[in-house]
Amino acid sequence: AQSVTQLDSQVPVFEEAPVELRCNYSSSVSVYLFWYVQYPNQGLQLLLKYLSGSTLVKGINGFEAEFNKSQTSFHLRKPSVHISDTAEYFCAVSPLKGAQKLVFGQGTRLTINP
Amino acid sequence: DTAVSQTPKYLVTQMGNDKSIKCEQNLGHDTMYWYKQDSKKFLKIMFSYNNKELIINETVPNRFSPKSPDKAHLNLHINSLELGDSAVYFCASSQADQPQHFGDGTRLSIL
Repeated sequence: AQSVTQLDSQVPVFEEAPVELRCNYSSSVSVYLFWYVQYPNQGLQLLLKYLSGSTLVKGINGFEAEFNKSQTSFHLRKPSVHISDTAEYFCAVSPLKGAQKLVFGQGTRLTINP
Repeated sequence: DTAVSQTPKYLVTQMGNDKSIKCEQNLGHDTMYWYKQDSKKFLKIMFSYNNKELIINETVPNRFSPKSPDKAHLNLHINSLELGDSAVYFCASSQADQPQHFGDGTRLSIL
């Protein structure tokens, strides 16, 4: 079984400041890792994914994340945030083998202040 | 040309009623999913179908019955609606081990 913990439920940041959203996971099998973003009253949009290869992955909207196998973490970062980045961010994992069900973290509400 | 579309977007109904939510994807994916997002924004998988075959069935009350008439459609029927069924229901689809694409959700409110 898998579980995902997002360590911060809310992160307030000033515009143009850097941000890091933290994600740790637990799994008895190898997993794929994802970050999704949910804007108000919308569905989930994929920000980035780690399937294999380089542990630093770049996504859309200037976000990137680093997979750290030893620490079982997949933290999301952006060097300079914009007001439009205000949204709910979800970290998720799915097993490499078998049914591809996503297990989500609790979400982190990112609020950008002017 | 919406990739994953759900109808209706909003559904307000009385306790005890039966309702359906429809989902269609035009991405040619083999696998479709239903997720439930509760009032605290927590997302949990309910069902998954691969080529019309049920492959994931989490511990969901049997009042919930998914149906996949073909691999592009996955509908969710809910009998005897309860207050606790109020949530946002998301449909998603994927191909092989590629990321899932989500619809915009159906907000179900039980009065």
